[in-house]
Amino acid sequence: GAVVSQHPSWVICKSGTSVKIECRSLDFQATTMFWYRQFPKQSLMLMATSNEGSKATYEQGVEKDKFLINHASLTLSTLTVTSAHPEDSSFYICSARSGGSPSSEQFFGPGTRLTVL
Amino acid sequence: EDKVVQSPLSLVVHEGDTVTLNCSYEVTNFRSLLWYKQEKKAPTFLFMLTSSGIEKKSGRLSSILDKKELFSILNITATQTGDSAIYLCAVASRNFNKFYFGSGTKLNVKP
Repeated sequence: GAVVSQHPSWVICKSGTSVKIECRSLDFQATTMFWYRQFPKQSLMLMATSNEGSKATYEQGVEKDKFLINHASLTLSTLTVTSAHPEDSSFYICSARSGGSPSSEQFFGPGTRLTVL
Repeated sequence: EDKVVQSPLSLVVHEGDTVTLNCSYEVTNFRSLLWYKQEKKAPTFLFMLTSSGIEKKSGRLSSILDKKELFSILNITATQTGDSAIYLCAVASRNFNKFYFGSGTKLNVKP
């Protein structure tokens, strides 16, 4: 099946710094990528949807100036958490959708554990 | 408010048992309901259900959707320890550009 990778798999940073997380589709072109965050024992919450070459669509309550998303190519999307604070500590998962159909399967990355001290 | 609710939150069974996991939803612009298995990190796809009353089956797993009553069930027969995982239910709306996830059911299958 299709493979989606994320880098780094975990990161610890100081409060106030910025962290970039990469999401790559390794063997397919992803026209759409999704970014989620998951708190312990809670469900995945969609943060934003990004389409290659266009601006990301953010869900209500997600600060677009804080969570910068760039989808510069069909195989790479990045999420930058700017001026991170301890409350941003979470598990961030991306998923990528291949194919032109909106109902095409989305494949999930392994996630990135962010801890902000 | 759109929401997806799964029950039970956790379940402990023994190998060979049959389990039924529940997912109810209230989501506008419903497109499909999806089931995922999350073992350690990345959820993996199990089923996508769009039409009511049509059972989808894959080995020991099966699932069905009731769009009138707004729920779906995931059945696992003859459970094995390898079935231990968190099972996530998600509803796609807005032409598959928005996904609402339930909090998951944690299944623990004991030998």
